[in-house]
Amino acid sequence: SQQGEEDPQALSIQEGENATMNCSYKTSINNLQWYRQNSGRGLVHLILIRSNEREKHSGRLRVTLDTSKKSSSLLITASRAADTASYFCATRQGAQKLVFGQGTRLTINP
Amino acid sequence: DTAVSQTPKYLVTQMGNDKSIKCEQNLGHDTMYWYKQDSKKFLKIMFSYNNKELIINETVPNRFSPKSPDKAHLNLHINSLELGDSAVYFCASSQDMSGRAGGDTQYFGPGTRLTVL
Repeated sequence: SQQGEEDPQALSIQEGENATMNCSYKTSINNLQWYRQNSGRGLVHLILIRSNEREKHSGRLRVTLDTSKKSSSLLITASRAADTASYFCATRQGAQKLVFGQGTRLTINP
Repeated sequence: DTAVSQTPKYLVTQMGNDKSIKCEQNLGHDTMYWYKQDSKKFLKIMFSYNNKELIINETVPNRFSPKSPDKAHLNLHINSLELGDSAVYFCASSQDMSGRAGGDTQYFGPGTRLTVL
């Protein structure tokens, strides 16, 4: 089945820097969602962007969507140690299910 | 109050045993899911129920059987456990299955780490 692919697989930056993660997908979508997973925990929904939207903001998060390139990016500004987690994109394919990528493991160094 | 809860959090068992994982959501959602996350963090959907009706049944061995006694509960029973079943299993719920209105935003439980010896 089709799935989103996050890039990079792992990212390590200094606290205060911005972190950018990318997601590519293969089929047409209704929406694209980003989730965060802290170690040993379940996924937490961060933000949803609809297929007719190009950019969305939520606090320090900025998501863009380019449906012509079938890609999305998640930008976390002014990173904090608490942002250390894995980040997943999920694409809504067809009527029934979200398909998750393998995630980007983000480490924020103090 | 926990929105989506799973029990147990950890499950260690021998090959060949039968085990169950329970899930409950108190969000009033219509749709519930089971996902399997492997050691490489790949999250794959296994089942989805909408109002107690099975909607999605991915290519999962029939040793795995979901049961939804009501729309707030979705349990997962696994027969004849194998080494390859070791993973973290997540239950999730969503308001419904609509993509346009964002009704498919998933709320995840804390996970059940299953280890088969």
